[in-house]
Amino acid sequence: AQKVTQAQTEISVVEKEDVTLDCVYETRDTTYYLFWYKQPPSGELVFLIRRNSFDEQNEISGRYSWNFQKSTSSFNFTITASQVVDSAVYFCALSERGKLTGGGNKLTFGTGTQLKVEL
Amino acid sequence: ETGVTQTPRHLVMGMTNKKSLKCEQHLGHNAMYWYKQSAKKPLELMFVYNFKEQTENNSVPSRFSPECPNSSHLFLHLHTLQPEDSALYLCASSQGGRGAYNEQFFGPGTRLTVL
Repeated sequence: AQKVTQAQTEISVVEKEDVTLDCVYETRDTTYYLFWYKQPPSGELVFLIRRNSFDEQNEISGRYSWNFQKSTSSFNFTITASQVVDSAVYFCALSERGKLTGGGNKLTFGTGTQLKVEL
Repeated sequence: ETGVTQTPRHLVMGMTNKKSLKCEQHLGHNAMYWYKQSAKKPLELMFVYNFKEQTENNSVPSRFSPECPNSSHLFLHLHTLQPEDSALYLCASSQGGRGAYNEQFFGPGTRLTVL
């Protein structure tokens, strides 16, 4: 069965520090997708990135970067020069092919990492 | 109108009440989802609809009854709930099709409290 582990329950940093959020996944499938979402206090999950299992290139988007390593089944997320607005719960998720034969997309989420950025 | 909207944002109900949660998406997607988010637990997928047809019922108790009249609207009808059903209920949508991997876009959720 697929599983996503986010071992860090809560992380506190001071503004401008870099922080890495860990995500480890388990799957038997060779084709799968990984996602990161941000959930600010307002409650809405905001999509950040999708990465397929065949693309191990790291990705950078502004202060955000992602490191995907199939060898260790990890998809870690780094925020550079963190800001107070980055305070939120961050979720990693996994989607496997063909889990919903009728259509749609079944995501398995980790338990999330609460990031607190203080002044 | 923003992507995925949910009403109401907050709901308090007694165990004998009947209420409904509403979700609407303005993204042209064809798949819609209900999730339950309880404290200290991963998001739990409840139901999936694709082109108005239910494609997943994740062993959800019958006191939760979904309805999808079209690809833009999704309802969750609630009756005789239990206090442990108190949670944040999130709706999401995505471009779906068989084997799709598209990202899901979420609404702000309905914070439900069952007394």
